[in-house]
Amino acid sequence: DAKTTQPTSMDCAEGRAANLPCNHSTISGNEYVYWYRQIHSQGPQYIIHGLKNNETNEMASLIITEDRKSSTLILPHATLRDTAVYYCIVRVYGSSNTGKLIFGQGTTLQVKP
Amino acid sequence: NAGVTQTPKFRVLKTGQSMTLLCAQDMNHEYMYWYRQDPGMGLRLIHYSVGEGTTAKGEVPDGYNVSRLKKQNFLLGLESAAPSQTSVYFCASSYPLWTSGQGYEQYFGPGTRLTVT
Repeated sequence: DAKTTQPTSMDCAEGRAANLPCNHSTISGNEYVYWYRQIHSQGPQYIIHGLKNNETNEMASLIITEDRKSSTLILPHATLRDTAVYYCIVRVYGSSNTGKLIFGQGTTLQVKP
Repeated sequence: NAGVTQTPKFRVLKTGQSMTLLCAQDMNHEYMYWYRQDPGMGLRLIHYSVGEGTTAKGEVPDGYNVSRLKKQNFLLGLESAAPSQTSVYFCASSYPLWTSGQGYEQYFGPGTRLTVT
């Protein structure tokens, strides 16, 4: 699985969009970008994933650059409850992959009032 | 659905003692995982299972054993606890990645906080 690089920490004002970047310059063609978050030592929670197209769900949007070497997770209207550590993970999708997640250090997002 | 549950939530052990952590899921998932998380670090995979009766080693398997006798349960054992095993342990489960329409995410339990003195 490709390695990812994320900023250690970020701040965001409540009600504003939070944009969390992730670099994955060695990503392969069959590797997906996944985002999870972990709120205050709870179990990690899945947010979103994508291959090359931009994706949106009820929690967030995922923007992947055309060369797929980086991506951005967007929380459109951050709330205090979005304060968490956000993990960007790249993994293979398919029968040869056993679903293992390789967690890095993640980005600690602090949403401020 | 309860999702993924872990027992116990907290435990304090003395060096050399043994214990078993229990993970249960009610989502009929094939895959199950055990991770550990040390302070300020990301999660690291200990062992995983791709089906009943099968287990495999992850990144940090030393000092741990696992068993998957029933599809819904995944047990993590510490035979002789050491202070280095002080950590928070998370269990997770998921469908196989290629199962179309079933979703791709791993579901995590609330964690077990283990202290070894």
